[in-house]
Amino acid sequence: EPEVTQTPSHQVTQMGQEVILRCVPISNHLYFYWYRQILGQKVEFLVSFYNNEISEKSEIFDDQFSVERPDGSNFTLKIRSTKLEDSAMYFCASSERQFYNEQFFGPGTRLTVL
Amino acid sequence: AQTVTQSQPEMSVQEAETVTLSCTYDTSENNYYLFWYKQPPSRQMILVIRQEAYKQQNATENRFSVNFQKAAKSFSLKISDSQLGDTAMYFCAFMKGGGTSYGKLTFGQGTILTVHP
Repeated sequence: EPEVTQTPSHQVTQMGQEVILRCVPISNHLYFYWYRQILGQKVEFLVSFYNNEISEKSEIFDDQFSVERPDGSNFTLKIRSTKLEDSAMYFCASSERQFYNEQFFGPGTRLTVL
Repeated sequence: AQTVTQSQPEMSVQEAETVTLSCTYDTSENNYYLFWYKQPPSRQMILVIRQEAYKQQNATENRFSVNFQKAAKSFSLKISDSQLGDTAMYFCAFMKGGGTSYGKLTFGQGTILTVHP
């Protein structure tokens, strides 16, 4: 069964460094999402992406964040200059259609900023 | 803005018993969708069941069913004949339908369900 994959599973970085989190969505899906979950808190929406552009972003998704689909398979989240508060589990998701459609989630990347 | 509230941080149930997880939400939208996702200890979230707000009939998927009360803005999940594999974190989630929404899910805090043998 197709699934969303994410790499790395755990990333440790120093404050101020850039990180790129990678996701491979399910191949026939057209809509892509990033969510994050700070330890002990809710899963929060970051951004949605369709047709090579951002469809919607949350207030969390400021200028430090960017997303890209550099080729036909990968979907990346870049954090330009990491802060301590960026430490969280980051989940990628994809869906075939937009509404009422099941979003398939990856296993997550745990980002630790020291 | 939409909010989703799950008031039960933890629940437990004996194997083969029935358990109900609560979820309430707040929205001014009329067109929306509701979901229950399950996140087992391996941490990959899986869709359990979904409901379209305009449908009055409660959704059912095998042992999982919902009690959707639109006026009360309540969307509870009932798990019948609980199995050990149901042990997981359960998230209730809301999605606006149409307009300026592009598939964004708004999640509740989650309920940890433990099924005991």
